[in-house]
Amino acid sequence: GDSVTQMEGPVTLSEEAFLTINCTYTATGYPSLFWYVQYPGEGLQLLLKATKADDKGSNKGFEATYRKETTSFHLEKGSVQVSDSAVYFCALVYNQGGKLIFGQGTELSVKP
Amino acid sequence: GAVVSQHPSWVICKSGTSVKIECRSLDFQATTMFWYRQFPKQSLMLMATSNEGSKATYEQGVEKDKFLINHASLTLSTLTVTSAHPEDSSFYICSAQGLAVRYNEQFFGPGTRLTVL
Repeated sequence: GDSVTQMEGPVTLSEEAFLTINCTYTATGYPSLFWYVQYPGEGLQLLLKATKADDKGSNKGFEATYRKETTSFHLEKGSVQVSDSAVYFCALVYNQGGKLIFGQGTELSVKP
Repeated sequence: GAVVSQHPSWVICKSGTSVKIECRSLDFQATTMFWYRQFPKQSLMLMATSNEGSKATYEQGVEKDKFLINHASLTLSTLTVTSAHPEDSSFYICSAQGLAVRYNEQFFGPGTRLTVL
């Protein structure tokens, strides 16, 4: 079945370090891909998305490119801040209005 | 825009009692609402999908008689955990989707932490 796999956390970085959180997916079709962020004690917020191959989603300095050939959607940020500390979820959905399939989440901790 | 609220944000109850959690879309009409369960440091597990005015569709392994879902209006869905037990303790999150609001995007509520003693 369809699935999403993320790198295990926690990931601990110093402020201004470069961030990569790996995400790969298994899908029989052509899903849309998402990154969600969950700050402590809060619900999920959509961070960015890409709907087709080679699309790049970007928001708040984060970006991810939909790579069909490697079935990946890695999240990157050039310089992280303490305020980026959160749990990040990669997800896919097939149809408009369909069910989201989440990865297991990756906790990021950024130290000053 | 596209704000989803949940109430209560946390609840503690005794084993055997029932607990109702509300999910509201505050500024849009939600044709579909989803209920998720999240265990500590784990991913979200979809429990059920509900469309306004019709019965919820439950995921495999979710007891529909234990987790009652009602989506009576375009802005409100409720999840009732009946005869709660300690193993039902978890973080419950709802999301809402509307045709007129960035179709295909789910907007998530802040979650409700349930602790069953």
